[in-house]
Amino acid sequence: SQQGEEDPQALSIQEGENATMNCSYKTSINNLQWYRQNSGRGLVHLILIRSNEREKHSGRLRVTLDTSKKSSSLLITASRAADTASYFCATASGTALIFGKGTTLSVSS
Amino acid sequence: GAVVSQHPSRVICKSGTSVKIECRSLDFQATTMFWYRQFPKKSLMLMATSNEGSKATYEQGVEKDKFLINHASLTLSTLTVTSAHPEDSSFYICSATASGGPFETQYFGPGTRLLVL
Repeated sequence: SQQGEEDPQALSIQEGENATMNCSYKTSINNLQWYRQNSGRGLVHLILIRSNEREKHSGRLRVTLDTSKKSSSLLITASRAADTASYFCATASGTALIFGKGTTLSVSS
Repeated sequence: GAVVSQHPSRVICKSGTSVKIECRSLDFQATTMFWYRQFPKKSLMLMATSNEGSKATYEQGVEKDKFLINHASLTLSTLTVTSAHPEDSSFYICSATASGGPFETQYFGPGTRLLVL
């Protein structure tokens, strides 16, 4: 069963704008991860945030985690056309990852 | 570092034939490898988890006799789709965790697109 649920399902923005994607999950977690997938390709690990962390930054990415609400957000600032991809949150079930349905981001120039 | 390859990247086969997909960790030893299946515009669904030298653990609803997994070495796992049918057409992705590395991080292969005619 899927653990994470992202919203929105699809997001279209202009270059330079910020993109925010949200993820909700159901059970307690040790960490939550965000991945990116370009169309027809494998996944690329973006960032991992642990359950005792509230916010984490990596370049233009900012991830927040609210364990009380069982939710996380991924913010991409100053988006670029190359950011066009699907973004998935994932939580661990043992050593395996359970992925959400993903948000498809389209950045137009 | 931490590169995972898959071969083939794309395969078309006739119904009833078997197809083998290879997943290799190129520059690290993989303690565990995972096989996922992804339908168009859908999320990844975990099919099975395999550890080198032991039998794979399949997720509920995944037929182990249909999807044979062999993890013969620390750098290679194979998924064989036996007696393929059109409904097996999908995007298959493997991932691996590195021995001695952060166990939470999985490195993904580029995927294999299977089309069964």
